[in-house]
Amino acid sequence: QKEVEQNSGPLSVPEGAIASLNCTYSDRGSQSFFWYRQYSGKSPELIMFIYSNGDKEDGRFTAQLNKASQYVSLLIRDSQPSDSATYLCAATGSARQLTFGSGTQLTVLP
Amino acid sequence: GAVVSQHPSWVICKSGTSVKIECRSLDFQATTMFWYRQFPKQSLMLMATSNEGSKATYEQGVEKDKFLINHASLTLSTLTVTSAHPEDSSFYICSAREVWGLAGRKSYEQYFGPGTRLTVT
Repeated sequence: QKEVEQNSGPLSVPEGAIASLNCTYSDRGSQSFFWYRQYSGKSPELIMFIYSNGDKEDGRFTAQLNKASQYVSLLIRDSQPSDSATYLCAATGSARQLTFGSGTQLTVLP
Repeated sequence: GAVVSQHPSWVICKSGTSVKIECRSLDFQATTMFWYRQFPKQSLMLMATSNEGSKATYEQGVEKDKFLINHASLTLSTLTVTSAHPEDSSFYICSAREVWGLAGRKSYEQYFGPGTRLTVT
């Protein structure tokens, strides 16, 4: 079982809709959670991080963390075609090392 | 966010030669840097963890004599692909970890360089 699991997609949403990306993790000792965006042929870019249970909002992005259920999600409001990318979920375990999910490919249709 | 640079952004070399890739944290000190490799349409694969002033820790299956890592300062790590072969052609990405906060409440955030596309002919 992978330590961080994501639905690989592809996930398609129409422009202006809310895109919902989900991630589960197996290490209960994980403390920090990150969402990266990776465009094709480019390196990952950190877009959100969350440490505490609940929601964290930054512009059109909202990260949600539920440690009891061991899941973290990313909501993208008012999705734009420029949001089309692969989104990587990552968790920091007790070793302080990031473990990545395999990524979810998002396509926002104009 | 913190900035990580990588040089060169792309390189083409002949089989059997060696290639050095540099990774720098520009506005923070990074005691730990990471080297990843990514093949087309595949996930990031962690190759090794680079610690300043000590030997790198390699992931299982990664040849330490082929992928030489040096982390000589708090802002620079280098990866040298020795005796490169076509199967080493890939996208190599470094990442630097920024640590902040007080003891017991530290936060660790990892930032990626732009990557180096290596083609071995």
